[in-house]
Amino acid sequence: DIVMTQSPDSLAVSLGERATLNCKSSQSVLYSSNNKNYLAWYQQKPGQPPKLLIYWTSTRESGVPDRFSGSGSGTDFTLTISSLQAEDVAVYYCQQYYSTPFTFGPGTKVDIK
Amino acid sequence: QVQLQESGPGLVQPSETLSLTCTVSGGSVSYGSYYWTWIRQPPGKGLEWIGYIYYSGGTNYNPSLKSRVTMSVDTSKNQFSLKLSSVTAADTAVYYCARDPYPGTGGHWFDPWGQGILVTVSS
Repeated sequence: DIVMTQSPDSLAVSLGERATLNCKSSQSVLYSSNNKNYLAWYQQKPGQPPKLLIYWTSTRESGVPDRFSGSGSGTDFTLTISSLQAEDVAVYYCQQYYSTPFTFGPGTKVDIK
Repeated sequence: QVQLQESGPGLVQPSETLSLTCTVSGGSVSYGSYYWTWIRQPPGKGLEWIGYIYYSGGTNYNPSLKSRVTMSVDTSKNQFSLKLSSVTAADTAVYYCARDPYPGTGGHWFDPWGQGILVTVSS
């Protein structure tokens, strides 16, 4: 299985400031034949199901604000919230879909400082 | 837009079989561009992919659960189902159903998700 790790476990950022979340996979999730990284990001608020933010590492799902951006390749990935808003308080999970079983990271909790 | 809703017992006895159903509205489980997926989340913990089913009945299960999992689809009711046998306290979790767009996109992400149902395994 591909093991996903995330760092930090939690972070507190001031409103309007940048939040940088990291995700690392135990093996590359880059598929060489199409040069795509098989990685997605989700946001989960308390009492709610996860919400898809980004897939193919950097493609925003329809309706997701452009302050959310994804980057990275191979085994190292980043989700950036460019200007943190109060409604962004949540746990963020990365997920690899390069191979089954599909696996998620343990999450990063984002709070307001 | 498509919506998913889980249903089933919230309490299951140890060693029994957990049975859940996901009802799809605003779309069809027979639409060939999607897989239909189950994911679980123990209280306060992370997410675990259980497996998916296609409208034709084809399945792919997480090897860690494969010996205990059965998924099925009922196109006439626009539903798909999960059965997990021989449950223990470790199977206590919120169970989510979700849509996987792989047949149409080549990627296995999950969107949308149902609201989830908490299943507690206890006597």
